[in-house]
Amino acid sequence: NAGVTQTPKFRILKIGQSMTLQCTQDMNHNYMYWYRQDPGMGLKLIYYSVGAGITDKGEVPNGYNVSRSTTEDFPLRLELAAPSQTSVYFCASSYRGGGQAQYFGPGTRLTVL
Amino acid sequence: EDKVVQSPLSLVVHEGDTVTLNCSYEVTNFRSLLWYKQEKKAPTFLFMLTSSGIEKKSGRLSSILDKKELFSILNITATQTGDSAVYLCAVWAGNNRKLIWGLGTSLAVNP
Repeated sequence: NAGVTQTPKFRILKIGQSMTLQCTQDMNHNYMYWYRQDPGMGLKLIYYSVGAGITDKGEVPNGYNVSRSTTEDFPLRLELAAPSQTSVYFCASSYRGGGQAQYFGPGTRLTVL
Repeated sequence: EDKVVQSPLSLVVHEGDTVTLNCSYEVTNFRSLLWYKQEKKAPTFLFMLTSSGIEKKSGRLSSILDKKELFSILNITATQTGDSAVYLCAVWAGNNRKLIWGLGTSLAVNP
């Protein structure tokens, strides 16, 4: 099992550009999450999904969009990139909520200039 | 509002010392508490605690939960430089669809 994979590992965007961060898990997990982590700060939840076709906002959804058409994939779309979106983005998954562990992908380091 | 508070925020020790990291929580419908270790990459899962008083142990790391006093501790004995990391605590609560995260304790172990 590869676990949770994310692409790309690094990306530099110009202000106003758009991009999609890819996340795939092969553990048949129902729940998937997108977090951002700024230097010295905790994890902030952007969006999450409890199953294919179901998504919901987290703490910091503005400027982002998600979709979940399959159990395995949960892409994060950045529209009109801004310097405030410079961060490290982590995708995570769990079988369910409650009494389950979340497992993280390796992260994408995004810089917006 | 649900919250998870970790203390101390940072800690510097010497190799061989024992450290205790704290995590307190105030949440509705507590389900379980999780500990993670984060080096300069993604968080990796350490323990999940559901019941009070039952210690989870893995090598030199151990953790216990007190559901009456609403806290957990993570102990690391005989620390090594490889233990240097940020230790994160998180709680499943409410509708159990999201984890509530603490800010972490940054541990530095000096040789």
